[in-house]
Amino acid sequence: ETGVTQTPRHLVMGMTNKKSLKCEQHLGHNAMYWYKQSAKKPLELMFVYNFKEQTENNSVPSRFSPECPNSSHLFLHLHTLQPEDSALYLCASSQQYTTGGYEQYFGPGTRLTVT
Amino acid sequence: GENVEQHPSTLSVQEGDSAVIKCTYSDSASNYFPWYKQELGKRPQLIIDIRSNVGEKKDQRIAVTLNKTAKHFSLHITETQPEDSAVYFCAAQPPGNQFYFGTGTSLTVIP
Repeated sequence: ETGVTQTPRHLVMGMTNKKSLKCEQHLGHNAMYWYKQSAKKPLELMFVYNFKEQTENNSVPSRFSPECPNSSHLFLHLHTLQPEDSALYLCASSQQYTTGGYEQYFGPGTRLTVT
Repeated sequence: GENVEQHPSTLSVQEGDSAVIKCTYSDSASNYFPWYKQELGKRPQLIIDIRSNVGEKKDQRIAVTLNKTAKHFSLHITETQPEDSAVYFCAAQPPGNQFYFGTGTSLTVIP
């Protein structure tokens, strides 16, 4: 499969559950991103990884925990979420250089509902 | 850090008319400016991009202009069609990994 894939596509979880979102990119990129997209709101950057190293953490609550075991895989571990965390979670990848980068390719997203 | 503002938030045009969406940015070091289109229920997809060493770029009915001095860039869609209806996001990237997105413009093309 090509591009950026995400699983699951839909997830319903209770506030006490623990679940993980998975992202995989088949493009050979060196940077991967997690975004949160809520209804009628802009894309909110959550985490950035470059060569497996986390480079950005935009004040995300600790109930979201990222993991990047290699340059092709990115996980978002979820625990004790709140209803306001319900949103579309988008993964993206891009090729970055010190002088700048190239377009991000987005995955299809995981539609998360917290009950 | 970088701050990107996008206007308008909603835009309705008649089919065949032109649509213009504008973005401003704050960090003069930003050197890459992509535009994404997101249709309902789908992922954002790049439609056009421009780098800071270029003032204008065109791809069929879509064009982007960049004014580095004023720190603004615009998306122009000519001869709009109903399938152009979507949410459009601009972004700016300074050197580094992070992209800074605008708040999005919901474009409706009325047949």
